[in-house]
Formats: sequence, C-alpha cells, structure tokens
Amino acid sequence: EIVLTQSPGTLSLSPGERATLSCRASQSVTGDYVAWYQQKPGQAPRLLIYGASTRATGIPDRFSGSGSGTEFTLTISRLEPEDFAVYYCQQYGSTRGFTFGPGTKVDVK
Amino acid sequence: QVQLQESGPGLVKPSQTLSLTCTVSGGSIASGVYYWSWIRQHPGKGLEWIGYIYYTGSPFYNPSLKSRVTMSIDTSKNQFSLNLSSVTAADTAVYYCARAQGSGYYHYWGQGTLVTVSS
Repeated sequence: EIVLTQSPGTLSLSPGERATLSCRASQSVTGDYVAWYQQKPGQAPRLLIYGASTRATGIPDRFSGSGSGTEFTLTISRLEPEDFAVYYCQQYGSTRGFTFGPGTKVDVK
Repeated sequence: QVQLQESGPGLVKPSQTLSLTCTVSGGSIASGVYYWSWIRQHPGKGLEWIGYIYYTGSPFYNPSLKSRVTMSIDTSKNQFSLNLSSVTAADTAVYYCARAQGSGYYHYWGQGTLVTVSS
C-alpha cells in the first residue's frame, strides 16, 4: 500500500499568514490522484482539493494544491480564522486501495 | 444535494459483529460511477479507509481489514451497509459513510457515528 507522510505534524501560525502543508507518498501516485480535506472538531472531513490541484466546488481560492509523483503541497495563502483545523491528504491512485495521511494540525500561534 | 446518514448500534460487545447502514438521499445509489465507502476515525486519530462497494455490488476492501469486512448494497432502499466481524476495543471509532467520485476522492460524507466496543 502507499503510505502517506504529512509534515509538519502541527503548524502554529497567525491569521493572515501563509500556510504550507506537505504530503509525501512512499511511491509515486498514479495520475497524481491526491486529495486534501479539512476537518474541524466534531465534523466530517470537507473536500478541498482533488487531482492534486483542482479546487472543489465552493472552496475559496486562498486554498491551492500542487505537486506530482510523490510530493504534494497544500497552500493556504492567507489564513482566515475559520481555517484553523486539521488537514489530511488522501491518495486514490493505488490499485491496492486508498490511504490517508496522518494529518497536519494548523493552530493559532 | 446528496446526503448520507449512518445508522446502527452505538455499542457492540467484543467478538461480536459491528453492523452499520448508510442511507443515501438526494440521488440514486445506482446512478453514476460512484464508490460507496466506509471510513473510520479512532478517537483523536486520523482517518482509516475501510473500503467501498460499487453499485453493482462489487466490493474492494482495505487489505488490513479484508478478513473481517463485508459490505453490501441495496439499491431498492438506497442504502449500503458495513459488517465488521470479531470486533475488539481497537475497533472503537467514529464510522463515516461517504461517496467517492472521479477515481476516488470524497465529496460527500455522512456526519459519522461513534461505535464503542465494550462489554
């Protein structure tokens, strides 16, 4: 199976700052089939990005995804108060099934 | 707007079978190329993909859970289900049903249901 590693584990930033989250795969992800989700306490995850770089419907353009192969990045250009949450990457390109990364928590500095 | 809702017991005894159902509204479970899925989240932890079932009834399970997982789909009721056998405390988690589209990203999720395994 493809193992995803996310870094950092926790990112402490202030509103208005730029957040850069990393997701590394143990092997190349076919089709760059990587998605990013945001999860807040007590809520289901929310799809932000799919196909490594395509924003889901209704997602603000301050969220952007990039990368290919084994290295993927989620960038939040300017943090809004509602962006403090946990972010997960997911790969869906493996024939052995889908996997999620362990998550990056973005909290208030 | 597609909505998914999990239902089932919140408490299961060790060694028994955990059974959950997901009811889909706002769209037919038999339409489109979707993967009707189960994902779980252990308390305070990350997300674990359990598997999916296609509307034809073809399943695909996480290899690490495959020996204990069975999924089924009932297109007449617009529902799909999860059975997880021989549960232990390690299976205590919030269980989500979700719909994967494209090649497997999740746009629609249920609210999640906490299942506790305890005697």
